[in-house]
Amino acid sequence: GNSVTQMEGPVTLSEEAFLTINCTYTATGYPSLFWYVQYPGEGLQLLLKATKADDKGSNKGFEATYRKETTSFHLEKGSVQVSDSAVYFCALRTGNQFYFGTGTSLTVIP
Amino acid sequence: EAGVTQFPSHSVIEKGQTVTLRCDPISGHDNLYWYRRVMGKEIKFLLHFVKESKQDESGMPNNRFLAERTGGTYSTLKVQPAELEDSGVYFCASSQDPAGWSEQYFGPGTRLTVT
Repeated sequence: GNSVTQMEGPVTLSEEAFLTINCTYTATGYPSLFWYVQYPGEGLQLLLKATKADDKGSNKGFEATYRKETTSFHLEKGSVQVSDSAVYFCALRTGNQFYFGTGTSLTVIP
Repeated sequence: EAGVTQFPSHSVIEKGQTVTLRCDPISGHDNLYWYRRVMGKEIKFLLHFVKESKQDESGMPNNRFLAERTGGTYSTLKVQPAELEDSGVYFCASSQDPAGWSEQYFGPGTRLTVT
């Protein structure tokens, strides 16, 4: 079946620290991969995506590379800011359905 | 342009009661989706409307859940009677076309607490 596993939180980092949130997936076929972010009080927003193997999605300093050999799509940012505090969801799309991970809560402290 | 809105933002009801959640998609978006996140778990797909028709309702957990989208505009999700395990956050999303699944726009969610 299709599923997404992402690292459990919560994650707390100091400002300017390096961020990695791990995400691995299981899927039939060739899924597209996504990271969504949910800021406090808001809906999920698409952060970045990759539609095929070796693609790198990037946005707002975040990036993730679609690794088919390791079935992974880890989210990274070189220097986090307080404004990055949010819940991050890894997701895959195959066919007409999305499958989300459990979400990872990130808190960045000054 | 207004985004996807959901009402209420939070609902607390007793087991056995009925609750109706509402979602207003972005104007002009024919596709409307409902998702649910039970505490600490993944966000799960519930169903997908194309205009007023149910395109895919494979994620609906049981017949206590009824979704409607009369007129193809806003949608309601009714839970009757509510059970404790129905607690969670219910998200609605909309998109212009199903081929644009990556461009779903999500609402802020309704947090449902069943006591």
